Amino acid sequence: SQQGEEDPQALSIQEGENATMNCSYKTSINNLQWYRQNSGRGLVHLILIRSNEREKHSGRLRVTLDTSKKSSSLLITASRAADTASYFCATDDRSDMRFGAGTRLTVKP
Amino acid sequence: EAGVVQSPRYKIIEKKQPVAFWCNPISGHNTLYWYLQNLGQGPELLIRYENEEAVDDSQLPKDRFSAERLKGVDSTLKIQPAELGDSAVYLCASSPGTSGFTDTQYFGPGTRLTVL
Repeated sequence: SQQGEEDPQALSIQEGENATMNCSYKTSINNLQWYRQNSGRGLVHLILIRSNEREKHSGRLRVTLDTSKKSSSLLITASRAADTASYFCATDDRSDMRFGAGTRLTVKP
Repeated sequence: EAGVVQSPRYKIIEKKQPVAFWCNPISGHNTLYWYLQNLGQGPELLIRYENEEAVDDSQLPKDRFSAERLKGVDSTLKIQPAELGDSAVYLCASSPGTSGFTDTQYFGPGTRLTVL
């Protein structure tokens, strides 16, 4: 069963624009991670944020975590056509890991 | 360095037939995961191995699914008998340590199963 719920389900933007995706979850977590999946490279880990962290950066990615609202956001700045993919959030509680249904991002050149 | 290898990449079988998927994790990785991914959904964890030990198999439908990881390296996931609803992509992943889900997982390309 899915734990996280991404919003929006689909997002279409122009190259160079920023993309923001949100993830909400239901139960207490240990970590929250974001993954990207496209047909060319399969499922790839992007970034992990621990439950005691509020913000993390990695290159053009910025992730925030609000445990009081049980939500996270992924911001991709200066998007590129190569960022076109599905993005999933995944949460774990040490004993189980659950993915959301994903946001489908399309970046138009 | 080679990534996670899975075979076959595609499998088409008739319902009630058995099927097996094979996974070779990244060399030196102690933890191995099997996931199921339905179309338009995120992966769902089936089983997690730390070395040879299955530490979490609560989501594995044990009436028809089985898995093994002999010698703590390669792993095989089996379905017997397969049902129509088993059509999905089966993903294998591995991670270097045994720190639960904190380690980065590296995913294989998956095996797409179609049950007719």
